[in-house]
Amino acid sequence: AQTVTQSQPEMSVQEAETVTLSCTYDTSESDYYLFWYKQPPSRQMILVIRQEAYKQQNATENRFSVNFQKAAKSFSLKISDSQLGDAAMYFCAYRSGSGYAGNNRKLIWGLGTSLAVNP
Amino acid sequence: DGGITQSPKYLFRKEGQNVTLSCEQNLNHDAMYWYRQDPGQGLRLIYYSQIVNDFQKGDIAEGYSVSREKKESFPLTVTSAQKNPTAFYLCASSIVSSYNEQFFGPGTRLTVL
Repeated sequence: AQTVTQSQPEMSVQEAETVTLSCTYDTSESDYYLFWYKQPPSRQMILVIRQEAYKQQNATENRFSVNFQKAAKSFSLKISDSQLGDAAMYFCAYRSGSGYAGNNRKLIWGLGTSLAVNP
Repeated sequence: DGGITQSPKYLFRKEGQNVTLSCEQNLNHDAMYWYRQDPGQGLRLIYYSQIVNDFQKGDIAEGYSVSREKKESFPLTVTSAQKNPTAFYLCASSIVSSYNEQFFGPGTRLTVL
């Protein structure tokens, strides 16, 4: 069974600095998708960025980028020019790429990293 | 505006009572999901539905029930059989695609008194 591990329960960063959140996963599949979600104090889950395993190029969304290392099964999130509004819980999630039905569609979640941004 | 609504935001229930959490979406998504979130445990899947009138159990379905009579609606009932129902409940929806990118509602905080 696939698992997702976020080894940093808490992180902090100074405003305007860069921070990297770690995520590793365990799978025997070659086709899958990876996601980073943000949960601010309002508790609404917001998609930050996604990566398809078959793509070698790392995904980027404005100040957010990932370092996807398929062989190492690592999917870290880099936040550049950190802002106070980036303070939140960040969750890494995995989804199998095989099939369109059944349990293959469910997301497998890490336990999250709480990010504090210091002014 | 398109989105997912959950109501109520806070819900209190006495022990032994059933309670239903509402989830509505106007994104025209086929798939809908219910998650439970507890401190330190991340998100756990309760039930999901990929099409109207069909749904499947997730990892922690015991003590919960759902229905999917309309594409837009996926209510979750927390029954008295659920031993520890106090938690934060999140509803999500997605299109049926390879991405399975899920969009979330604002959540309902259920407290059993």
